[in-house]
Amino acid sequence: EIVLTQSPDFQSVTPKEKVTITCRASQSIGGSLHWYQQKPDQSPKLLIKYASQSISGVPSRFSGSGSGTDFTLTINSLEAEDAATYYCHQSSSLPRTFGQGTKLEIK
Amino acid sequence: EVQLVESGGGLVQPGGSLRLSCAASGFTFSSYSMNWARQAPGKGLEWVSYISSSSSTIYYADSVKGRVTISRDNAKNSLYLQMNSLRAEDTAVYYCARGDIGGLMDVWGKGTTVTVSS
Repeated sequence: EIVLTQSPDFQSVTPKEKVTITCRASQSIGGSLHWYQQKPDQSPKLLIKYASQSISGVPSRFSGSGSGTDFTLTINSLEAEDAATYYCHQSSSLPRTFGQGTKLEIK
Repeated sequence: EVQLVESGGGLVQPGGSLRLSCAASGFTFSSYSMNWARQAPGKGLEWVSYISSSSSTIYYADSVKGRVTISRDNAKNSLYLQMNSLRAEDTAVYYCARGDIGGLMDVWGKGTTVTVSS
């Protein structure tokens, strides 16, 4: 099983800050890494697919990078509505796995 | 609009059974693989099961293997999860999610809540 480890687990940030969340895979997954945003009592929303591909309707301040075992989600100029938990997810192999989540709090 | 709507959740006693359903609309259901995932209260996301577009390939997480069965009816645009021998640790919100060719779960439903308790 591929283990995904996110850091940090929690971050408190101010609006307009730049935020970086990392996801490390226990073995190489190529580019099969995706990022989701989940707000309380909502289902996960896809933000970035295949490491760096943007999703229609997702604000351009969200971007992704990386390959192999190390991946990054970047949020430029954070907005209050970005308060949420962010998960990485790999589709390289079964079982599909998720990172433990990173909770972003807006100060 | 692409939409997935889950139903069938509820309160069940340990050892009991439930059948979850997911109604799909807004896309050609028969062309896509589908998944079930779950989220226990206050916890992260866990993939549960996968079924290919033609039902020819099925996978389960070890945590549910032997106790759940995934199925689909392409004529009815519906996905199912039969859950047996339920345990307290199966308590979660269950989501159905569409899969793309690379395994990405790109569209998720709002979820249905399963509570296993006596």
